[in-house]
Amino acid sequence: GNSVTQMEGPVTLSEEAFLTINCTYTATGYPSLFWYVQYPGEGLQLLLKATKADDKGSNKGFEATYRKETTSFHLEKGSVQVSDSAVYFCALSDAGGGNKLTFGTGTQLKVEL
Amino acid sequence: EAGVAQSPRYKIIEKRQSVAFWCNPISGHATLYWYQQILGQGPKLLIQFQNNGVVDDSQLPKDRFSAERLKGVDSTLKIQPAKLEDSAVYLCASSAGLNGELFFGEGSRLTVL
Repeated sequence: GNSVTQMEGPVTLSEEAFLTINCTYTATGYPSLFWYVQYPGEGLQLLLKATKADDKGSNKGFEATYRKETTSFHLEKGSVQVSDSAVYFCALSDAGGGNKLTFGTGTQLKVEL
Repeated sequence: EAGVAQSPRYKIIEKRQSVAFWCNPISGHATLYWYQQILGQGPKLLIQFQNNGVVDDSQLPKDRFSAERLKGVDSTLKIQPAKLEDSAVYLCASSAGLNGELFFGEGSRLTVL
């Protein structure tokens, strides 16, 4: 079945540091890939997505590239801010669509001044 | 635009008792989801509704869990009788289409003692 593996947290960075959160997946066919973010006290929300190989999703300074050859979708940001402190979830949906998402376990990011 | 509303936010019960959670999706969203998120794990889909019909309930423990979506709007998730391992956050989400963008509520945290 489908599965998502992401790096364990918590990850603690200083403001303006470079961020990478690793995500790899196992799936049949060509799934769509997502990063969701959960800010403190809020529900999960879509951060970015990519629907086919070599696509790059981007939003709010975050980027992730769909790498089929390495089955990866790593999240990156060049300069993090305190306001980026949150839990980040990597997810995929079945190749056939239908919005059935499989989530990773989440990575907590804490950004300090 | 109002987001996904859930209640109650917190519930503590004894094992073998029953509990019900309520969800009101974003207006006009045809698809509604219930996810279970156990501490340290990613959200797991329990059930997906399209309007008032069930699309996927393959991971719903039907001996104790039930869900309904009358009139294709609000939904209720019930657990009876509860077990210790049901302690989790129950997330409701809704979507307008099938592009992978789900809108989540803040969740209902259940503790079973």
